[in-house]
Amino acid sequence: SAVISQKPSRDICQRGTSLTIQCQVDSQVTMMFWYRQQPGQSLTLIATANQGSEATYESGFVIDKFPISRPNLTFSTLTVSNLSPEDSSIYLCSVAQGPGQPQHFGDGTRLSIL
Amino acid sequence: QKEVEQNSGPLSVPEGAIASLNCTYSDRGSQSFFWYRQYSGKSPELIMSIYSNGDKEDGRFTAQLNKASQYVSLLIRDSQPSDSATYLCAVKSNTGNQFYFGTGTSLTVIP
Repeated sequence: SAVISQKPSRDICQRGTSLTIQCQVDSQVTMMFWYRQQPGQSLTLIATANQGSEATYESGFVIDKFPISRPNLTFSTLTVSNLSPEDSSIYLCSVAQGPGQPQHFGDGTRLSIL
Repeated sequence: QKEVEQNSGPLSVPEGAIASLNCTYSDRGSQSFFWYRQYSGKSPELIMSIYSNGDKEDGRFTAQLNKASQYVSLLIRDSQPSDSATYLCAVKSNTGNQFYFGTGTSLTVIP
């Protein structure tokens, strides 16, 4: 399966700032997703990153807070804006080769807010 | 009602025993089902995918699907301490490309 590199692996940020997380895949993939996993909880889908167009956001997540880019079939970024303590979480990108195909995850970004 | 429900556990089994993990889902039209393993501090790792009713075996793992009962299970035979992890059930939405994840079952295999 594809090799997925996610950066940074962890960061500590100040309130009110933003963090951009990068997800790089070593081969072209059809689908890329961004998830959040809060401590002790399961994965919640933030959005589907669409190549060349605006991301598709799940209920409760908005573009102003979580802008996403996907300029090509191997790369995507997620920005978490105007950080607050509630944003402390693990953020994960995942990729799939097509609808119904398994998703594979990057190593995640552990974000803490001071 | 949650899209995917799992018993959170913890589930403890002795080494060498069979561990049985269960999952139910609400979207009757779902066609794609997955089991992931997540070690503490790590990201989820795909174990099995299953698309048709019945059993699918891969080494020590067997996934079972019953669409009529909206039920998916994972059996781990000859459980090893290295199997100790949280197991996540995932179901692909029938109307989109998103996966719905259960809250996971924590498994501990006791040496």
